[in-house]
Parts: sequence; structure tokens; C-alpha cells
Amino acid sequence: RKEVEQDPGPFNVPEGATVAFNCTYSNSASQSFFWYRQDCRKEPKLLMSVYSSGNEDGRFTAQLNRASQYISLLIRDSKLSDSATYLCVVSLNQAGTALIFGKGTTLSVSS
Amino acid sequence: NAGVMQNPRHLVRRRGQEARLRCSPMKGHSHVYWYRQLPEEGLKFMVYLQKENIIDESGMPKERFSAEFPKEGPSILRIQQVVRGDSAAYFCASSPVWDFSSGANVLTFGAGSRLTVL
Repeated sequence: RKEVEQDPGPFNVPEGATVAFNCTYSNSASQSFFWYRQDCRKEPKLLMSVYSSGNEDGRFTAQLNRASQYISLLIRDSKLSDSATYLCVVSLNQAGTALIFGKGTTLSVSS
Repeated sequence: NAGVMQNPRHLVRRRGQEARLRCSPMKGHSHVYWYRQLPEEGLKFMVYLQKENIIDESGMPKERFSAEFPKEGPSILRIQQVVRGDSAAYFCASSPVWDFSSGANVLTFGAGSRLTVL
């Protein structure tokens, strides 16, 4: 079983749509959780950290279910600029010194 | 703040040559991390360094790969006798000294160095 698994997609949605990505992780000792965004051939950039209570940042909502070892990302009112690959990332420690990346889910938003 | 600077951005080597990739962390950051992204794959952790110390090299291949972060100058990832399978994007990230009270540590990535081995 892969350490971090994501549906690769692609997810093709129209502008304004709501889209949800899911991710599962295998190591129950994982401590820190993140969603990163990676544009084509560029560096990953932190989108948001994910907390047990769930958290929201504008149009983006992240949820964590430790019991099921499951992380989700919800994007509301999709914009063309949201087109990218979304990476689910976990770390075995709070210090985040050895991140484990999923392969990513590709989102394409069209007008 | 110039961010995490990596060079070269693109490097072409023939099999058997050496590749040296450099990374200067963000100002104020003392921790450096190297990750590798093979084509169509996720990023894989390679090594975590502080100045003059390798803290975690659990992701480094056992042979041909080495990393350093000297007291002065950038961190260097060195690949000796490159093979075609080394072709990848190598990303460097940096972070400040982690403070538990500030929550999970956040890494800032550089733009990457793309190595092509002919």
C-alpha cells in the first residue's frame, strides 16, 4: 500500500463548480498534514495545513479524519487559476522534516 | 527576500559525468531539505541538513549521491557517475528553526533543478 494515495484525475470542471479531492495515508503515526499546489513543472507551494478540527481558507476547506486516515480538500466556486496539481502531504512529525508526498490530483477548470 | 534559490535551473549531463546542484535557503532559514521528483511521480524526500550537519539522509540512495551544507555558502547535492535514471527535478526547500508553539513546520521550496542525463 502506498504511503499517501490520491486519485490522479484529471478532474475537469467548469468555472464556478465545487470539486472535492480525497487522500488516504497508511501510517497512523502521521502527525502533520498539508495540501500543496504544484503548477506544471514548477515548485510545490503550500496551499494550507490541515488540522483535526477542519479548517477553511476562503474558497478552500480541508478536513482530516484520523480514524479513517483520510484527508480531503474542497474547492468552491472554482476559478480558471485553480487549474493545477494538488498534492496531499503528510509528515511523521510536527517538525515536518521528512514530508511524504502523494502523486497529486490534477484539476483543470475551464470557462 | 529572494526565497529559496536553486541553480542551475537546467543541467544536462552524459552518463558517467558528475552533477552538482546548489541551493541557497531563504534568509533566516537554517534548515535545508532535498527532494527528488521523477517523471510522473510524487516528490520523494532525500536528505535534511543543517549547517555542517546531516540530520536525516534516510532517503538518499546508498551510492553516488551525497549532500553537504557548509558553514559558508549554499547546500550542494552531488551526484557522481550519473545514469539515465537520475534524470529528474531536484527540489530544495528550507525552513527556519522550528518552534513547537507555532504549529507544524512549513517548508518553502525553490524552483527546482532539472537534470537530464543523456
